Amino acid sequence: AQKVTQAQTEISVVEKEDVTLDCVYETRDTTYYLFWYKQPPSGELVFLIRRNSFDEQNEISGRYSWNFQKSTSSFNFTITASQVVDSAVYFCALSGWEYGNKLVFGAGTILRVKS
Amino acid sequence: DTGVSQNPRHKITKRGQNVTFRCDPISEHNRLYWYRQTLGQGPEFLTYFQNEAQLEKSRLLSDRFSAERPKGSFSTLEIQRTEQGDSAMYLCASSSGGPDTQYFGPGTRLTVL
Repeated sequence: AQKVTQAQTEISVVEKEDVTLDCVYETRDTTYYLFWYKQPPSGELVFLIRRNSFDEQNEISGRYSWNFQKSTSSFNFTITASQVVDSAVYFCALSGWEYGNKLVFGAGTILRVKS
Repeated sequence: DTGVSQNPRHKITKRGQNVTFRCDPISEHNRLYWYRQTLGQGPEFLTYFQNEAQLEKSRLLSDRFSAERPKGSFSTLEIQRTEQGDSAMYLCASSSGGPDTQYFGPGTRLTVL
């Protein structure tokens, strides 16, 4: 079975602080994909990043960075110098060939950035 | 390129009524997915289409739920004899296929009184 765990239910930070959102996954697939989505108060899920299981290179996009470690089955997301606009619910998700490429989501982490 | 659109955005209905939601995917995306999200939870998979063929249905999709994608374009999700437990956000996503990224619409929030 596939499973995604986001142990942090809610995180509060002050603007300009760095924050890391944790994601741990379980799968029997050898080929799988990991995603992060952002859900602002408006409700629409916004795609942030997709990684495949064969690419463990970390990625940086502006203030966002992602750390994929296959050895610990983790795919953590760091926001540097957080801003109020980063306040949202962040979901980590997993898909794999064995399960028809449907997304399995974690429960999400609520991020509150205070000014 | 326009994104995924869903209508209506909000629906309030009384228990026992039927409701139908529509999803228009990104043009040329041949896969279309439906998910359901309840408060404080991540979205859960309901069903998906490859073109007009419905390839998988979750156990969450009871007999009261039916989905169609005629001609492989837009899709509809119908819930018959709604129950209060059906209250949720219904999300639609589309992709080019396989493991490609799924892009989500704004969702339809259903409230069953």
